[in-house]
Amino acid sequence: AQTVTQSQPEMSVQEAETVTLSCTYDTSESDYYLFWYKQPPSRQMILVIRQEAYKQQNATENRFSVNFQKAAKSFSLKISDSQLGDAAMYFCAYFRNNDMRFGAGTRLTVKP
Amino acid sequence: EAQVTQNPRYLITVTGKKLTVTCSQNMNHEYMSWYRQDPGLGLRQIYYSMNVEVTDKGDVPEGYKVSRKEKRNFPLILESPSPNQTSLYFCASSLTALTEAFFGQGTRLTVV
Repeated sequence: AQTVTQSQPEMSVQEAETVTLSCTYDTSESDYYLFWYKQPPSRQMILVIRQEAYKQQNATENRFSVNFQKAAKSFSLKISDSQLGDAAMYFCAYFRNNDMRFGAGTRLTVKP
Repeated sequence: EAQVTQNPRYLITVTGKKLTVTCSQNMNHEYMSWYRQDPGLGLRQIYYSMNVEVTDKGDVPEGYKVSRKEKRNFPLILESPSPNQTSLYFCASSLTALTEAFFGQGTRLTVV
């Protein structure tokens, strides 16, 4: 079974600085999708960014970008110019054939 | 407003008393799924449905049932709840399995 590992249970960043959240996954497949979801204290799950494994170009959404290293099975999320509203739990997820696997999450604190 | 609605948001019940958590979406999405979220484990998929009358097991289906008689509704049924099913539950829907998933606000279930 595919597993997703987020090795940083907690991270903190100063407002306006940049932070990178790590994610690795285990799969023998070549075609799959990867996601980062944000869960603020409201509990709502919000899609941050998505990456198709067949695309070599790293996905970017405004201040959020990923570093997708397919051979290393690594999918890190970079948040630039961190804002107080970025404080949340962040989940990395792997998807293939209707099977969605989430990591345990990283709690991000943003210091003013 | 496009949304996924779960009810109830909070529920405390006793062991063995059957319960249903409802999930409804108004976006005409074909794909719906249920997850449970536990500390240190992230979200784990319980069941998913690709369309009406089409459901399949996810990662942790034991102790749960689902049905998909209408496109908009995807209830989660616990026939005989046990304390190890105490968790935060999320319903999600998406146009297809690969497009952005919209999550409900979660149901906090406690089984005593």
